[in-house]
Amino acid sequence: QSALTQPASVSGSPGQSITISCTGSSSDVGTFNLVSWYQQSPGKVPKVLIHDVNQRPSGVSDRFSGSKSDNSASLTISGLQAEDEADYYCLAYAGSYWVFGGGTKLTVL
Amino acid sequence: QLQLQESGPGLVKPSETLSVTCNVSGGSLRDTNYYWGWIRQSPGKGLEWIGSVYYNGKTTYRPSLRSRVTISIDTSNNQFSLRLKSVTSADTAVYFCARRTVVGARIDFWGQGTMVTVSA
Repeated sequence: QSALTQPASVSGSPGQSITISCTGSSSDVGTFNLVSWYQQSPGKVPKVLIHDVNQRPSGVSDRFSGSKSDNSASLTISGLQAEDEADYYCLAYAGSYWVFGGGTKLTVL
Repeated sequence: QLQLQESGPGLVKPSETLSVTCNVSGGSLRDTNYYWGWIRQSPGKGLEWIGSVYYNGKTTYRPSLRSRVTISIDTSNNQFSLRLKSVTSADTAVYFCARRTVVGARIDFWGQGTMVTVSA
């Protein structure tokens, strides 16, 4: 049950858009629409941004959006802000357990 | 307002058993809309899902930990627990308890986490 594959780091300037990928397999991301995304700021607990691939919980900015294609899911952040600088994790259902991605550090330049 | 609070030993010796408990207030572990689980994060590393338990005691575990882990639930005292036996330094981490929704499958509440160090 290896971690889902995410880029170690991404960066962007304020106002730009970035996308973070989360690559799994046909056993997890490819089969189940149970992918969620979490933001973890330094010293904080993770916060859910997206669930069920592309659903945003109440209170989460519409700058955050999710999608999925085949065995990969993606999180897009539009209109980057300094406060978006954090670690981002995907989480997917793998049939009988759950697996996180390795995490992506977002730097806002 | 729901609150989850972990309590743990802080320090565990190699080969011994790690035990951490999550006390839940402001909500009921009998609520059938949620699973209750454990997630850990080694220093400077990513999140790792350990396992979860439902109100009726049904559990699911990370396959690589299944032989060493037990998660139990005590709905009378509104707490659930993690036991991890035969620990090594690789089990040193912050252990978070968390709530996951049945519908929508999102982890919507987290405890603050408790640091457990495995060292002689």
